[in-house]
Amino acid sequence: LAKTTQPISMDSYEGQEVNITCSHNNIATNDYITWYQQFPSQGPRFIIQGYKTKVTNEVASLFIPADRKSSTLSLPRVSLSDTAVYYCLAASGGSYIPTFGRGTSLIVHP
Amino acid sequence: GAGVSQSPSNKVTEKGKDVELRCDPISGHTALYWYRQSLGQGLEFLIYFQGNSAPDKSGLPSDRFSAERTGGSVSTLTIQRTQQEDSAVYLCASSLVRTVDTDTQYFGPGTRLTVL
Repeated sequence: LAKTTQPISMDSYEGQEVNITCSHNNIATNDYITWYQQFPSQGPRFIIQGYKTKVTNEVASLFIPADRKSSTLSLPRVSLSDTAVYYCLAASGGSYIPTFGRGTSLIVHP
Repeated sequence: GAGVSQSPSNKVTEKGKDVELRCDPISGHTALYWYRQSLGQGLEFLIYFQGNSAPDKSGLPSDRFSAERTGGSVSTLTIQRTQQEDSAVYLCASSLVRTVDTDTQYFGPGTRLTVL
């Protein structure tokens, strides 16, 4: 299980693009990178997942360089409702113990 | 379709009492996880069930904590002789285990436990 490191907190303003980078230096060949979002008083929810290069969905983009030792979650034009904690996981399917860590607390200001 | 449900949503108990927390996973999901989240902290893994395999209990903090999963579906997390430090939100998640990519976990709303 690859250990991940991400900033504890970030601040942004409405309309800006936010990039949250996660380091996973010892990522394994079979590991996928998954990001979750957690609002206060709710359980985390899946945002996006990728293996390499770039993945985009209606919520975010995920950039993974060739060496896969890091990944960047990109949130375009954030709004106040994007204020949440964002968790990065690097793991493979099957038998693994998920480690969410403390995540990155993103605060979007008016 | 229905997501993961948990009950009760809030539980207040006195120190020393036993509590049971329930999780109903998404139908057909073979994997089920329990986590604990203290105020302002990340998710602490507690236990993992996968199909009919023996559960991975490596995250349980003490022998006062136990969990079972009946019929491969509903799960109950039991905390005996509760202590104030057990106060936290207990989250349950389920997933369809796939062999190619990682499991996407679907979380319930959690049970907020307060031990007085």
